[in-house]
Amino acid sequence: DIQMTQSPSSLSASVGDRVTITCRASQTISTYLNWYQQRPGKAPKLLIYAASSLQSGVPSRFSGSGSGTDFTLTISSLQPEDFATYYCQESYNAPLTFGGGTTVEIK
Amino acid sequence: EVQLVESGGGLVQPGGSLRLSCAASGFTFSNYWMTWVRQTPGNGPEWLANIKQDGSEKYYLDSVKGRFTISRDNAKNSLYLQMDSLRAEDTAVYYCARDKVAGASLFDSWGQGTLVTVSS
Repeated sequence: DIQMTQSPSSLSASVGDRVTITCRASQTISTYLNWYQQRPGKAPKLLIYAASSLQSGVPSRFSGSGSGTDFTLTISSLQPEDFATYYCQESYNAPLTFGGGTTVEIK
Repeated sequence: EVQLVESGGGLVQPGGSLRLSCAASGFTFSNYWMTWVRQTPGNGPEWLANIKQDGSEKYYLDSVKGRFTISRDNAKNSLYLQMDSLRAEDTAVYYCARDKVAGASLFDSWGQGTLVTVSS
C-alpha cells in the first residue's frame, strides 16, 4: 500500500498569509494526487486533482504542484473560510490512501 | 444539483450487521463509479470499496474484504454497503462519494455521512 505523509500536521496562520502544505508518497505516483478540504462536521471537498488541476468552483488562490513523490498545496492569501483540515489522496492504485491531514488554524 | 444522501447508520453490537444506503440525485447515476469512504475522529479518510458503473467490477480494502459488500441499483439511483461481522474498529462516519471521472478514483461529490457505532 502507498503511504501518504503530510507535513506539518497543523499550522497557525493569519488572514492574508501564504500557506504551503506538503504531501509525500511512499512510492512514485506520477501526478495521481488530489487535495481535499474538510471543515468540522462536514464531508471532504475536492480542491485540486491530478496534482495541479483546480476543481470547478474552487477559488484560484488554491494551487497544487508536484509529481513523483513530492507534492504541495498552496493557498496564496488565506481567507477566513480556509481555516480547515486539508488532506492529500493518491489515486494511483488501490487501496486508495489519504494523508493524515494538516489543520490550518487561526493565529 | 448533485446530491448524495446516506442512511442506515446506527448502533450495532460486535459481530452484527448493518446495511448502509446512499441515494443519489442530480446526475446520471449509472454513468459513474461510486465509492464508500469512512473516517474516525481526528484521522484521515479511509477508502473502503468502489464499484464500476454497471456493478461488474468491485474493489475492497483488505481489512473489510469478505465482511463488507458494495452493490448498486441503477434503476433506484442507489448505492449500498452491506457490513457483516462488525468490529469495534469499524466505528466511524461512513460517506458515499462519486468518482469525478470513470475509474479516476478521485471524488468530486460526497454525502453528509452516516455514523456507525459498533459497541456492546
